[in-house]
Amino acid sequence: QKEVEQDPGPLSVPEGAIVSLNCTYSNSAFQYFMWYRQYSRKGPELLMYTYSSGNKEDGRFTAQVDKSSKYISLFIRDSQPSDSATYLCAMGRVSGTYKYIFGTGTRLKVLA
Amino acid sequence: GAVVSQHPSWVICKSGTSVKIECRSLDFQATTMFWYRQFPKQSLMLMATSNEGSKATYEQGVEKDKFLINHASLTLSTLTVTSAHPEDSSFYICSAPYDEIDTYNEQFFGPGTRLTVL
Repeated sequence: QKEVEQDPGPLSVPEGAIVSLNCTYSNSAFQYFMWYRQYSRKGPELLMYTYSSGNKEDGRFTAQVDKSSKYISLFIRDSQPSDSATYLCAMGRVSGTYKYIFGTGTRLKVLA
Repeated sequence: GAVVSQHPSWVICKSGTSVKIECRSLDFQATTMFWYRQFPKQSLMLMATSNEGSKATYEQGVEKDKFLINHASLTLSTLTVTSAHPEDSSFYICSAPYDEIDTYNEQFFGPGTRLTVL
């Protein structure tokens, strides 16, 4: 079983739609949960991070972590064509290491 | 945010040659840097952890002698792909954590280097 599972998509939605992206994980030691956006042939850029369970909102983006279910989500409201990219979830542990485990990434296409 | 650069951004080489990729933290010092490899439509796979002043730590299945890592200073780590073969063609990305006491240690990623081995 992979430590992190993420549906690779592709996911196509119309402009203005609410997008829900998800990851599940198996290692309960993870405490930091991140979402990265990666445009084609570019390095990932951090969108959101959360520490332990709960919700975090930043503009049109909301990150949600449910540690009891080992499930994390990223919601994008009022999606725009510029949101078209691959979204990667990542998880890390606190213990003197910065090592992250990444999901496979979900390719999102927002249609104008 | 902090900036990490990579050079070159794109390289084509012949099979059997060696290629060096540089990763620099431009406005902060990084005692640790990470090297990832990403195949098309796949996730980032951690190859190794580069430690300034000491040997790199390689992930299981990554050949140490093929992927040489040198972290000679607090702002520079290099990855050398030795005797490259077509199956080494990939997108190589480095990252560096930005240390802040008692806060989340965000990793900043470089823009990546696309290696094509003919």
